[in-house]
Amino acid sequence: GNSVTQMEGPVTLSEEAFLTINCTYTATGYPSLFWYVQYPGEGLQLLLKATKADDKGSNKGFEATYRKETTSFHLEKGSVQVSDSAVYFCALSPSNQAGTALIFGKGTTLSVSS
Amino acid sequence: GAVVSQHPSRVICKSGTSVKIECRSLDFQATTMFWYRQFPKKSLMLMATSNEGSKATYEQGVEKDKFLINHASLTLSTLTVTSAHPEDSSFYICSARAVHGPPGANVLTFGAGSRLTVL
Repeated sequence: GNSVTQMEGPVTLSEEAFLTINCTYTATGYPSLFWYVQYPGEGLQLLLKATKADDKGSNKGFEATYRKETTSFHLEKGSVQVSDSAVYFCALSPSNQAGTALIFGKGTTLSVSS
Repeated sequence: GAVVSQHPSRVICKSGTSVKIECRSLDFQATTMFWYRQFPKKSLMLMATSNEGSKATYEQGVEKDKFLINHASLTLSTLTVTSAHPEDSSFYICSARAVHGPPGANVLTFGAGSRLTVL
């Protein structure tokens, strides 16, 4: 079946530190991969995506590369800010067809202090 | 961009009552909407897929008689928690895919969620 596993949190960092949140997946076929972010009190927002192997998604200084050989999609940022404090969800879509739900990891809470 | 609105954002009810949560796509039509439930410190669990004009498809373990889903139009889906009990207290989130979203990717737009507290 399809599943997503991401590292347990919380992750606590100082401002300007390097961030890595690990995400691995199990899927049949060729899924698309996503990172969503949920700021306190808000809904989920798409952070970045990748639709095929070796694609790199990037947005707001965050990056993730779709690695088929290691079935991973780790999220990285070179220098985090306090405003990056949020819950980050790795997700996959088994298909790009409309009507396909996303499968989420358990979320990783990031807390950045100044 | 695509916007999904949920209402109410917070609701408190007494045990045994029913609560309706609305999910609207504000600037696009959605033939399919998804309802998720988010537990504290846990992932989003897909509850059901809501299809416009037809019955919802429920995930295994989700009681269809307790969580009634109606997708009356291309812009509105509702989730009714019937005879709510404290264990139904949770954060419910809906999502939809804009027909004219980014090509080549199944990007879902999420509502801000509805926090239900059953006393």
